[in-house]
Amino acid sequence: QKEVEQNSGPLSVPEGAIASLNCTYSDRGSQSFFWYRQYSGKSPELIMFIYSNGDKEDGRFTAQLNKASQYVSLLIRDSQPSDSATYLCAVNKGGADGLTFGKGTHLIIQP
Amino acid sequence: DTEVTQTPKHLVMGMTNKKSLKCEQHMGHRAMYWYKQKAKKPPELMFVYSYEKLSINESVPSRFSPECPNSSLLNLHLHALQPEDSALYLCASTRTSGNEQFFGPGTRLTVL
Repeated sequence: QKEVEQNSGPLSVPEGAIASLNCTYSDRGSQSFFWYRQYSGKSPELIMFIYSNGDKEDGRFTAQLNKASQYVSLLIRDSQPSDSATYLCAVNKGGADGLTFGKGTHLIIQP
Repeated sequence: DTEVTQTPKHLVMGMTNKKSLKCEQHMGHRAMYWYKQKAKKPPELMFVYSYEKLSINESVPSRFSPECPNSSLLNLHLHALQPEDSALYLCASTRTSGNEQFFGPGTRLTVL
């Protein structure tokens, strides 16, 4: 059974600090890994995706993937109050497969 | 360009009504999806269309009927819904290269 686990939080981080969000998955056939940001009442917005082991950086965001440990993480550097949102980890087997989401982590950046 | 559009933004319907949700993308994306999201829950996959053919149906009740008239358009026909079907209905699409899914703004559905 496909399962994606996240700590629901809330995770409270001071402005300017690094926010670290974690996700584990159970299906070893998973090939593609995504982080979505969702503000209350809005749809999910794709902020990072990663397919290979290691780190991938885009601006203030870094995604990390360890397939052996079945672990994905998202680091947000220089956190801003506008980063306050729910962050959803999602995985799939690639191609046109649907996404399986974790329950999301509610992140609060304190000014 | 990753724009996916959905109409209507909001929909209120009775349990005996028939209505349709519409999703559109003009980016030549190869797959389109319907997800359902209840409050404070993650999105749950309902249907997948790959190259205009239904490839995944996640055991969704028959009161939800998807349709893909062409490669740019995806509809979700609703009939005899229940109050517990009230949710945010999200459409997404995937580019031909890569597996990233981009979501539309969603339709907020309320069933009375």
